[in-house]
Amino acid sequence: AQSVTQLDSQVPVFEEAPVELRCNYSSSVSVYLFWYVQYPNQGLQLLLKYLSGSTLVESINGFEAEFNKSQTSFHLRKPSVHISDTAEYFCAVTLLSGGSYIPTFGRGTSLIVHP
Amino acid sequence: DTGVSQDPRHKITKRGQNVTFRCDPISEHNRLYWYRQTLGQGPEFLTYFQNEAQLEKSRLLSDRFSAERPKGSFSTLEIQRTEQGDSAMYLCATGALGYNEQFFGPGTRLTVL
Repeated sequence: AQSVTQLDSQVPVFEEAPVELRCNYSSSVSVYLFWYVQYPNQGLQLLLKYLSGSTLVESINGFEAEFNKSQTSFHLRKPSVHISDTAEYFCAVTLLSGGSYIPTFGRGTSLIVHP
Repeated sequence: DTGVSQDPRHKITKRGQNVTFRCDPISEHNRLYWYRQTLGQGPEFLTYFQNEAQLEKSRLLSDRFSAERPKGSFSTLEIQRTEQGDSAMYLCATGALGYNEQFFGPGTRLTVL
């Protein structure tokens, strides 16, 4: 069975500092990788995704993630965070298994941006 | 609003009662997923449909849980004989065939007393 590990449950950071949220997964087969974000009192929404092609993917609000197959990682980074980035971030992996797509989510990382 | 909607948003019930939740997807989305999320955890996959076919249901938590999507549009998740451990947020997400990303609804928060 696949699993997704988000190593940090909480990441406090000051505004305009860089941040990295770590995500590792366990799967020896091809997977699709996602980061979802949940802002306070809102539903989950897609931040970015890796399906194939370039291993570096970017979002419209300055986040990026790099797929590293050898390390089975998909860490999320942003060079300079804003207060508005305070949210819960979930890493997710979708594995094709027996013709079915089975999504697995990490437990989430709470990003707290301080002024 | 053309997003995923869920009804009700909150449900309080007594142990042993049956509850049913509804999810209305984005209209052109073929796939529909149900998840359970407890405090401090990520969404836990329960089941999913492609149109009206339930393609994966082995992750449903017990035989008290069942889901339907009779016409390939809205879906219902039923929990029979609720237990206090069923208290959680139940999320619905939908997606278009071939695109893998999911669009989540606001969730139904279940409290079992």
